[in-house]
Amino acid sequence: ETGVTQTPRHLVMGMTNKKSLKCEQHLGHNAMYWYKQSAKKPLELMFVYNFKEQTENNSVPSRFSPECPNSSHLFLHLHTLQPEDSALYLCASSQAAGRNEQYFGPGTRLTVT
Amino acid sequence: GENVEQHPSTLSVQEGDSAVIKCTYSDSASNYFPWYKQELGKRPQLIIDIRSNVGEKKDQRIAVTLNKTAKHFSLHITETQPEDSAVYFCAAMDERRGADGLTFGKGTHLIIQP
Repeated sequence: ETGVTQTPRHLVMGMTNKKSLKCEQHLGHNAMYWYKQSAKKPLELMFVYNFKEQTENNSVPSRFSPECPNSSHLFLHLHTLQPEDSALYLCASSQAAGRNEQYFGPGTRLTVT
Repeated sequence: GENVEQHPSTLSVQEGDSAVIKCTYSDSASNYFPWYKQELGKRPQLIIDIRSNVGEKKDQRIAVTLNKTAKHFSLHITETQPEDSAVYFCAAMDERRGADGLTFGKGTHLIIQP
């Protein structure tokens, strides 16, 4: 699959579990993003990485921990989540942080029980 | 930070009619305004964008207008078709602070009635 891919597509985890979401982009972009999509806040920016450096942390709780080992890969490590964290987590990438079109992945549907 | 308000939250129009979705933003420094379309079960995709150096941009049946003084911008879809049914998100950003990312509105669910 080309473009932006995310795994897993669905994840169910308990509040004491530790899991990770993975995003990979095959577009040669230098910026990557994590968004949370829920009924209350449809597209809520969580983190921005530009050239592997985190440039934005939008007041996200520490139970969400991002990691960007290189420009093509982005992870979101999850631990001790709450039921209200259940949502669709979307990854996106762009040529660089800023003016360029963002390409979204298909998302990971997360359910916290 | 930036705050984007979007209205209406749901819009139902007859096929063939026009649809207008409106957004306002709070940060006068914002100069880039994209619109994304998200069909049911699919990822958001950019459909049109506008920068603050122009007041209007058109791409076939889709147009966007920008009023910098009033800090609002609108999406216009003419001759609506069933495939236009989706959730539409507006967004705003100051490109000089691009590392801050986009701020999105809450979305408009557009329903095209046959």
